[in-house]
Amino acid sequence: ILNVEQSPQSLHVQEGDSTNFTCSFPSSNFYALHWYRWETAKSPEALFVMTLNGDEKKKGRISATLNTKEGYSYLYIKGSQPEDSATYLCAFTSNTGNQFYFGTGTSLTVIP
Amino acid sequence: ETGVTQSPTHLIKTRGQQVTLRCSSQSGHNTVSWYQQALGQGPQFIFQYYREEENGRGNFPPRFSGLQFPNYSSELNVNALELDDSALYLCASSPMGVAGAGELFFGEGSRLTVL
Repeated sequence: ILNVEQSPQSLHVQEGDSTNFTCSFPSSNFYALHWYRWETAKSPEALFVMTLNGDEKKKGRISATLNTKEGYSYLYIKGSQPEDSATYLCAFTSNTGNQFYFGTGTSLTVIP
Repeated sequence: ETGVTQSPTHLIKTRGQQVTLRCSSQSGHNTVSWYQQALGQGPQFIFQYYREEENGRGNFPPRFSGLQFPNYSSELNVNALELDDSALYLCASSPMGVAGAGELFFGEGSRLTVL
């Protein structure tokens, strides 16, 4: 069983603060690392997929980095807004199968 | 473009009963995956269907079974329900046979409570 860990489990920040979360995953048999955003009562939506060591992706105020050699990815949110409140899931896919291995998520609450 | 839809959204069953959950995949997607999210856990892979065949299975017992139909919609069946089967069941479709670096498109889930 592959273990994907996310930290922190939950986070409360003030509007305008910048924040970041961590996703740790196995460094062997790496294929891709995915980030999803999941708002309450909605469906998870893909933010990024990264496949190469050193990849950096950006979408508006949200960005992510990838280190496959040490097995971690960071998600950054710059100038958090209340609409950023959601659970952020990361998932690892290996080159030996087709399933996504999800972490337990980081729950972000942005306080106006 | 119609997204992934799941039914029912909520249901309550008792131990030993059977349940069927349904999923309509996004238009153009031929692959459907099912995930179970228990309280406090991340989504766990149950199985994937590609062109009506099972194409990978997670660590779930045989009482979890599935089907995919010619229109690529899918069902998840769980027999002999146990209390631990209480969870949110997520369906996700994708345009490829192997998830890999592709994106999963999720439904909003079916929340099952087993009493």
